[in-house]
Amino acid sequence: QVQLQESGPGLVKPSETLSLTCTVSDGSISNYYWSWIRQPPGKGLEWIGYIYSSGSTNYNPSLKSRVTISVNPSKNQFSLRLSSVTAADTAVYFCARWLDGGYGFDIWGRGTKVTVSS
Amino acid sequence: SYDLAQPPSVSVSPGQTASITCSGDKLGNKYVCWYQQRPGQSPVLVIYEDRKRPSGIPERFSGSNSGNTATLTISGTQAMDEADYYCQAWGSSTVVFGGGTKVTVL
Repeated sequence: QVQLQESGPGLVKPSETLSLTCTVSDGSISNYYWSWIRQPPGKGLEWIGYIYSSGSTNYNPSLKSRVTISVNPSKNQFSLRLSSVTAADTAVYFCARWLDGGYGFDIWGRGTKVTVSS
Repeated sequence: SYDLAQPPSVSVSPGQTASITCSGDKLGNKYVCWYQQRPGQSPVLVIYEDRKRPSGIPERFSGSNSGNTATLTISGTQAMDEADYYCQAWGSSTVVFGGGTKVTVL
């Protein structure tokens, strides 16, 4: 069974760039869509964006100007960069596999908590 | 932008049926998925393509979608079903989540 694991700093300073990586294990990153989703403390889920294994991307319009998602097939990893962060970006960040065509997010990582604070 | 609306909370007695709605413009024309999230855990897909259950999801979970409303129904609700539930659809070329519904089993 494919497993996902997020990694990256748990604390980021305001105005800096948040960087996270998701490692895909026990399966290939090829031929799938991979996504980032976040959840602020006590709030609901917010989709950040996704990337196909070939590199094509789609981002949430509300975050598009600050988000970059990239993929490294040789390492079976994909990554998130979110620039110019503020306290509003404090959240648990999940990576997940997205199955297009109504199949949803079928596999999720455990999530990693990122706090934006000086 | 496309929005999905869910009631903030639903209460249900053990063994009874819980219904959680998700509303959006012409939602019946889109596929809807549902996720269960227990406290401190990652979301789990419980319904995809409006009404299909992934392997391992109990039969008491069912879904429907018509008009402007999709519904997740939990029949014979158990204490372990107490969780937050999120609907999700594809709208305006983006993935959209509902605000979530907290199901309390009293």
